[in-house]
Order: sequence, then C-alpha cells, then structure tokens
Amino acid sequence: SSELTQDPAVSVALGQTVRITCQGDSLRSYYASWYQQKPGQAPVLVIYGKNNRPSGIPDRFSGSSSGNTASLTITGAQAEDEADYYCNSRDSSGNHPFGGGTKLTVL
Amino acid sequence: QVTLKESGPVLVKPTETLTLTCTVSGFSLSNARMGVSWIRQPPGKALEWLAHIFSNDEKSYSTSLKSRLTISKDTSKSQVVLTMTNMDPVDTATYYCARIGFGAATNYFDYWGQGTLVTVSS
Repeated sequence: SSELTQDPAVSVALGQTVRITCQGDSLRSYYASWYQQKPGQAPVLVIYGKNNRPSGIPDRFSGSSSGNTASLTITGAQAEDEADYYCNSRDSSGNHPFGGGTKLTVL
Repeated sequence: QVTLKESGPVLVKPTETLTLTCTVSGFSLSNARMGVSWIRQPPGKALEWLAHIFSNDEKSYSTSLKSRLTISKDTSKSQVVLTMTNMDPVDTATYYCARIGFGAATNYFDYWGQGTLVTVSS
C-alpha cells in the first residue's frame, strides 16, 4: 500500500517537545520527507532523508524512522511552529503520496 | 536562486481539459537527477501528489488519476506542463509545482511554486 497515515491533530505546550508521526508500508524502504504549511502559504520542506534539514530550518526540527513509522520531532516548540505538517514518501511504484496532514497547535 | 511559477486558467467548466504550466528558473530541466512534480490541495484539505517528470523524461502518475493526467516538459522554455482531462468540481484546488530533490532512499520537494487556484464551475 502507498498510503501514509497521520494523526489529524496534535497539541503542545510552548517550549515543550512534540512528535508527529506518519505510518505506511513504504516507510520500511524509503525515508519520509516533512513539510510545514501555514495558512495561505505554500508548503515548506523541513526534514528529508534520514534526518536532514534544509538551510534556514531551525535545529529544533528533527526526523527519525523505525519500521513503518516516520517521526518529526520539534524540541522546544515555538508559537511560529503552529501549522499543518505533512509527510511524504515515494513508494515502489514511483508514486509519491502525502499523508493526510497533522494540525499542530502550540498552547 | 531557484523559483517555480504556476500559470493557467483560474476557472474551467466541468468536462473541460485543464492545462497548467510551471515555469522554472535557477536550474535546468535537462540536468541529470532533476525533476518536477505537480501537487494539488483542495480548499481546507490535504496535499495530493499528482505526477512527476524527471530530466530523463521518466514520468509517473497518481494511480487514482492516471487516466486523466499527462505531464510533459519543454527544456528549451524551462517549462513543465500538466494536462488534466474531464474536469469536475471536485478538482477545484490550488495546484502547485515543486522541484524534486534526490537522496539516498528518498525523494523530496525542496522548492515550491506559490500555487494557482483553479475553480471548476459552470
């Protein structure tokens, strides 16, 4: 299956750590990439590969993977991290499905 | 500086064919290990990957939309074109193009266009 499953919503207290997860069979073979999307804006790549951050992404963002689950961790969440987060991964057929997205609320 | 910009109609009628163009700059579509994807997002809903094309002209399509999609590129114009046939109101969405980055056991979308909202209505 090429489907990726995410929790619809997660909340975190300001300054605390939050983990957003993504599950799918393809994650056993391929790494996920993670995207942050704020209202009215295009998505922004925040994590790709084993645990790589593009230039300009704060180091409080990190990624990990185990079995069929990929995780995005924000250590010390800030108010500006409130956004929708999407995972993506290729599958063996060459498709690149997205997860359903997780709405992160910073309390 | 890498940029991508989508262009196309803002309004199409049901059953019509949509043609969208992604014009890129800051990289060449002919470079090895280069690619562009089309991705859409209905209002208030999740991102949906549609198709991609690589510099070697390899193409891939969403399984659910494959029969309606065609992706092509014009390297000389730095453009990637997506056509979607038989448009329906459920296809109303913001359509994005994005550059594909390549890594070990991963592809990713490192640069995105601003997106273009396409409404399907009679």
